[in-house]
Amino acid sequence: AQKITQTQPGMFVQEKEAVTLDCTYDTSDPSYGLFWYKQPSSGEMIFLIYQGSYDQQNATEGRYSLNFQKARKSANLVISASQLGDSAMYFCAMRGSGGSGGYQKVTFGTGTKLQVIP
Amino acid sequence: EPEVTQTPSHQVTQMGQEVILRCVPISNHLYFYWYRQILGQKVEFLVSFYNNEISEKSEIFDDQFSVERPDGSNFTLKIRSTKLEDSAMYFCASSRETGRLNGYTFGSGTRLTVV
Repeated sequence: AQKITQTQPGMFVQEKEAVTLDCTYDTSDPSYGLFWYKQPSSGEMIFLIYQGSYDQQNATEGRYSLNFQKARKSANLVISASQLGDSAMYFCAMRGSGGSGGYQKVTFGTGTKLQVIP
Repeated sequence: EPEVTQTPSHQVTQMGQEVILRCVPISNHLYFYWYRQILGQKVEFLVSFYNNEISEKSEIFDDQFSVERPDGSNFTLKIRSTKLEDSAMYFCASSRETGRLNGYTFGSGTRLTVV
């Protein structure tokens, strides 16, 4: 079974500052993928960044970077230079390689609500 | 960039009515999924679908739910007799074959309100 834990229900950050959203995970799959999604108040799920368990380098996408520490089973999202538009719910999620075929479900954490203060 | 398209974006239905949520997955994807997010809660897996049959379902996906791929492009979720607690955001997703775990795309969701 897979489990994602996000221990920060809410976070505040000053505009233009960096912020780290925590995520820890647990899985028995030998390979897996970790995702971060942003969900604004309008409700859609916006893909931000992906990290494969065998990727040698931490993933980066513009202002988003993923601090992947495999031994600690953590995959924290770092947002640099926060903007007002970053205020949203952020979900950490995992997809494993277990089971036959390619239809592995994604398991989500409970989310962190980020508010950027002007 | 290819997208998963969901219609309608919002739907209001009366309790006890049947509702069909529609999704058009990415054209070269073979695996299809439905997820549900009750307001203020986390996203939960409902069902996965491959080769015209359900490959996995959660305990949430009871006999009131069904999925279908009626043609080569659409993937639908039917709720036969809606209850108040079915009010949620429903997300469709699709993915490619095995080999690339990051090839997984969500639609923008359908917000279902049961009154």
